[in-house]
Amino acid sequence: AQTVTQSQPEMSVQEAETVTLSCTYDTSENNYYLFWYKQPPSRQMILVIRQEAYKQQNATENRFSVNFQKAAKSFSLKISDSQLGDTAMYFCAFEGGAQKLVFGQGTRLTINP
Amino acid sequence: EAGVVQSPRYKIIEKKQPVAFWCNPISGHNTLYWYRQNLGQGPELLIRYENEEAVDDSQLPKDRFSAERLKGVDSTLKIQPAELGDSAVYLCASSFEGGQNTEAFFGQGTRLTVV
Repeated sequence: AQTVTQSQPEMSVQEAETVTLSCTYDTSENNYYLFWYKQPPSRQMILVIRQEAYKQQNATENRFSVNFQKAAKSFSLKISDSQLGDTAMYFCAFEGGAQKLVFGQGTRLTINP
Repeated sequence: EAGVVQSPRYKIIEKKQPVAFWCNPISGHNTLYWYRQNLGQGPELLIRYENEEAVDDSQLPKDRFSAERLKGVDSTLKIQPAELGDSAVYLCASSFEGGQNTEAFFGQGTRLTVV
């Protein structure tokens, strides 16, 4: 079974700083997807960024980028120029052949003014 | 375009009572998921539908939980009878399987409190 581990329960940075959230996963599959979701207090999970495992190039979406290390099974999220609206829970997730998302425990990120 | 709509947003019930949650997925999405999110944890899959067929219900506690997706559109998740440990947020998500982009879109969830 796949597992996803987020080792940072909480993180806090000042506005405009850069922050990196860590995620590791375990799988025997070769083709899969990795995701970072943001969950604000409204509870709705919002997709931040996705990475296809067969792509070597790291995905980027504006201020959000990932460092995907397939051999190490590592998938970290970097948020540049952090904003107050980035404050939320962030979940790393894996999707393989079973076509279901397996989530990590989450990291609570606080951006301070 | 409306997103995934769930109701109610909050529900408080006494233990041993029944409860039902409703989900309306994004139009055209053939796959529907129900996840349960316990406090301080990530969501866990309860059941996945492809159209009206439940293709993965291995994590659904079938002694008290049931779900249906009539006509492959709306879905309901029911708990009967509810237990204190069922207190959680129940999230519904939908996606279109078959295209290149298999992004799952989530609703705002129903927060269930069993007292």
